[in-house]
Formats: sequence, structure tokens, C-alpha cells
Amino acid sequence: QITLKESGPTLVKPSQTLTLTCTFSGFSLSTSGVGVGWIRQPPGKALEWLALIYWDDDTRYSPSLKSRLTVTRDTSKNQVVLRMTNMDPVDTATYYCAHKDGEFDYWGQGMLVTVSS
Amino acid sequence: DIVVTQSPDSLAVSLGERATINCKSSQSVLHSVNGQNYLAWYQQKSGQPPKVLIYWASIRESGVPDRFSGSGSATDFTLTISSLQAEDVAVYYCQQYASTPLTFGGGTKVEIK
Repeated sequence: QITLKESGPTLVKPSQTLTLTCTFSGFSLSTSGVGVGWIRQPPGKALEWLALIYWDDDTRYSPSLKSRLTVTRDTSKNQVVLRMTNMDPVDTATYYCAHKDGEFDYWGQGMLVTVSS
Repeated sequence: DIVVTQSPDSLAVSLGERATINCKSSQSVLHSVNGQNYLAWYQQKSGQPPKVLIYWASIRESGVPDRFSGSGSATDFTLTISSLQAEDVAVYYCQQYASTPLTFGGGTKVEIK
């Protein structure tokens, strides 16, 4: 059974760096073809893909946010970490991590991150 | 980048009636070698994460009721709910995974008339 869970701060100040951790179970990020992605959703708005890390450590980023994003993995801990710099109130959103095997077939519950002073 | 556009933004359908949602990609998501369309449909109920309904444009995810079906190829796709049930009230998204950046449609809100 595949599960994922996001953790991190629920409130960050403008200009700060957000660090979110996705802890997963039921699969290995060393398995060929597998990836973990990050997607966010501002309140009342649509889904937006942010970043992706694959089993071979290949990383991909949304072009509009690439300069602010870093995604890394710790295979031994079954974790993927997303780092987003220079947070702004417009980055207030629910952040999801998801298992990718083609489509995003398993999602975490998500966590709401609010950016406010 | 592949832009994915959904229509309509919202629709209200009577219980038991058909609901149809359209999704158009700015470029083909049909893979020339394996013949697969890299297009998925998700359902998101209020306060919940998205749940995949359809992948490869027409393959129903395990456990998804057969009233949900996906069709289309290349740039034009459709999600059909053949007989709308109360539990189908949700926002539906299509997403292309043919290339990065991965992109989602803007969503279609389905309500009961």
C-alpha cells in the first residue's frame, strides 16, 4: 500500500525559505520509472505542478518557479524534500506530494502553507 | 510548454443524466512510438486531494465506477460520466504527462441540477 505524507511549517514569513518533506511508504524511489512530484493549489484555484524527482535522481521544475525550487531525495529515509526560497503571500497554497508512475496515482493529504507576516 | 484547456468551467447535471467534460492540449500528447496518449483525469472532492480516475486517456483506474469513461486522442479528450450520482459532485481536472512542465487544466466543477 502506497502512502505519502507532507510535513513542514504551516506558516512562513515573506522572503523566508519553505522546506517541505514528503515521507512515503509502499514503494522505493530506486525503482526504475518511479518519481515523486510536488503540486500546489492556492485556495479555490487549480492545481499547479512544481517539481519532480525521478528514481535516477533526475529533477524537473516548473519553468516559472525554477529559480526558487530545489527538490532532493533521501532514499534511505524514504523522503523527498522540496525547498522554495523567497516566499510571498501569493505562494499561500495547499502543497501536495504524489507518486508518479506515468500519471500521479497516489497523493498525500496535502498541507496548507500560509505566507504572512 | 503544453497548455491544457478544459471546458466548461462548470456544469450542472440532473441525477442520472450524462455529464461531459472536454480537455484540449496545445500539442499532441500521443506518443509516436508506443501509441499511448499521455493524458489523465482526476476527481477532487471538497477538502480532499485529487484522485486519479483515468490514465492513458481511456484506462479506468482500479476501483473507479464504470460510469466514468475517457476518450479522445492527440489533442482532444473527453471525460464522460454516463449517469451522474450525488457522490460525483467534485472538480475534475485533466493533466498531460507527455512532457515537462507537467500541466493541468483549469478544472471543471460538476454540480447537481
